[in-house]
Amino acid sequence: GAVVSQHPSRVICKSGTSVKIECRSLDFQATTMFWYRQFPKKSLMLMATSNEGSKATYEQGVEKDKFLINHASLTLSTLTVTSAHPEDSSFYICSARDRERTNYGYTFGSGTRLTVV
Amino acid sequence: QKEVEQDPGPLSVPEGAIVSLNCTYSNSAFQYFMWYRQYSRKGPELLMYTYSSGNKEDGRFTAQVDKSSKYISLFIRDSQPSDSATYLCAMSGNSGGYQKVTFGTGTKLQVIP
Repeated sequence: GAVVSQHPSRVICKSGTSVKIECRSLDFQATTMFWYRQFPKKSLMLMATSNEGSKATYEQGVEKDKFLINHASLTLSTLTVTSAHPEDSSFYICSARDRERTNYGYTFGSGTRLTVV
Repeated sequence: QKEVEQDPGPLSVPEGAIVSLNCTYSNSAFQYFMWYRQYSRKGPELLMYTYSSGNKEDGRFTAQVDKSSKYISLFIRDSQPSDSATYLCAMSGNSGGYQKVTFGTGTKLQVIP
């Protein structure tokens, strides 16, 4: 089945530094990548949507200069949290939409737990 | 009103019980209905999806969609401790010209041996 590889699974960084999270679709072409943030006991909060080769579309309230998204190819998307602060600590998950199953084929990565100290 | 409502639980059941998980929604544009299972500190994995109204069965899992009531359900028969996880409903449909998927908050299920 479709697999999305997300790295790193866990990262601790100092306040003010930047962290890059990478998601790769291993055996399918992802026309669209979604980036979510998940707080404890809360639903997945969509941060941004990116289509290969074009700029990401950010949801209201999400700072595009803080959360940089790059979707350079049909199999790779990255999220960079710039100048991280403790309030950015969260669980970040990517999801890739399969070109062949555009209505329901959302495959998630395993998530990245970011802790900013 | 949220587009998708889901009881967060937690729901505790004994092993072997039938589990019923439900979501209601308000957006009539939703056409695809999905159930994801999420283990602690992992990404969600797709369990089942259904298009429009009807039932779909896969092993111990049955998904039901009632578009007239805007209500979807996931039934788990003969529940096992390994079914303990958070179950998220998700729905997708056209919104403003593009496909949009909306998730419920998830219901935490614990199956007690």
